[in-house]
Amino acid sequence: GDSVTQTEGLVTLTKGLPVMLNCTYQTTYSPFLFWYVQHLNEAPKLLLKSSTDNKRTEHQGFYATLHKSSSSFHLQKSSVQLSDSALYFCALIASGGNYKPTFGKGTSLVVHP
Amino acid sequence: NSKVIQTPRYLVKGQGQKAKMRCIPEKGHPVVFWYQQNKNNEFKFLINFQNQEVLQQIDMTEKRFSAECPSNSPCSLEIQSSEAGDSALYLCASSWEQDTQYFGPGTRLLVL
Repeated sequence: GDSVTQTEGLVTLTKGLPVMLNCTYQTTYSPFLFWYVQHLNEAPKLLLKSSTDNKRTEHQGFYATLHKSSSSFHLQKSSVQLSDSALYFCALIASGGNYKPTFGKGTSLVVHP
Repeated sequence: NSKVIQTPRYLVKGQGQKAKMRCIPEKGHPVVFWYQQNKNNEFKFLINFQNQEVLQQIDMTEKRFSAECPSNSPCSLEIQSSEAGDSALYLCASSWEQDTQYFGPGTRLLVL
């Protein structure tokens, strides 16, 4: 079956530093990858999405590139802010799969002053 | 911003009691999902619907949970006999086919 791996459970950084949150996936179908962000006591919401190989997608200072050759969709930001502290989930929808996304276990990002 | 509505926001039940929660998906979205988010923040898929039809559900959902998405009424998820391990945040999401999911704020269930 499909799977999504997020290797970091917790990332702690100082404000202003760059960050990369890892996401790799496995599927035999054509992939559609998503990053969702969930702030404390809020609903998850979309941050980025892509189904296009090797094309960078950006939103709110975050960016990611889907690389089908390495099955990866890592999330990056060049300078984190205190407000970026949240849970980040990578999700995969594989075409032909009853629309059911597969979520990674999530990465908690904590940004210190 | 998501317009998925979930009620109630909080639900407290005793073991063995029924627990029912509702979801109004975004207008026009044909696909509705229910997830359980545990204390480790992990998502567990429970069931999804396309219009009123079940697309996929896990074993747990088949046995102890019942869910429906009738036309012109809120979707619902009901636990027939609550267990302590069911304490979690239950998230409803809706989407177009194979696209972004829009989540509601969730129903936090506590089973005493």
